[in-house]
Amino acid sequence: AQSVAQPEDQVNVAEGNPLTVKCTYSVSGNPYLFWYVQYPNRGLQFLLKYITGDNLVKGSYGFEAEFNKSQTSFHLKKPSALVSDSALYFCAVSSRGSSNTGKLIFGQGTTLQVKP
Amino acid sequence: NAGVTQTPKFQVLKTGQSMTLQCAQDMNHNSMYWYRQDPGMGLRLIYYSASEGTTDKGEVPNGYNVSRLNKREFSLRLESAAPSQTSVYFCGAGDTRGTDTQYFGPGTRLTVL
Repeated sequence: AQSVAQPEDQVNVAEGNPLTVKCTYSVSGNPYLFWYVQYPNRGLQFLLKYITGDNLVKGSYGFEAEFNKSQTSFHLKKPSALVSDSALYFCAVSSRGSSNTGKLIFGQGTTLQVKP
Repeated sequence: NAGVTQTPKFQVLKTGQSMTLQCAQDMNHNSMYWYRQDPGMGLRLIYYSASEGTTDKGEVPNGYNVSRLNKREFSLRLESAAPSQTSVYFCGAGDTRGTDTQYFGPGTRLTVL
């Protein structure tokens, strides 16, 4: 079965410190991987994606993510956290098998709390 | 360029009532999706439409129906609402000929009493 796991319900970090939000996945074939952010009472905003190529991808608001095929992981990172980064973060994978439907499988979400 | 829009933003229903959630996109994407978001469960796919004229069930389709009215519009109908359908509903649009990136509407917060 295809799945995405975000092992931490919440990540707490002090402003100015680096942050990591973890994601692991299990899909057949080559995955397309995504990170989305949701601010309170808002929809999901696209942050970044990995399709192919360089394992380190850069996205919006200074975020980046590292694809690790051997560990089937796609962790979200930022060198210096801001209080305004506090939000709910979702990892998602597109399962591209024989039928290309573009369906996304989402992790359960990780709440990032950045304290001043 | 509004992206993906949803109406209504909020709705309260009584058990057994029906309603339709509307979604429209101006991004010219071929695929559209309906998800529900419940605490601790991420987003779960209800139905999707890979292209105009086609619809398919997702992970949690029971109690819902959909209509892909045209390329722009994809509606979700609850025929007889149940308290278990209390949730936040998101519509997404994406291009499966590209990178599968989906873009989402602002959501509809539905409460069924």
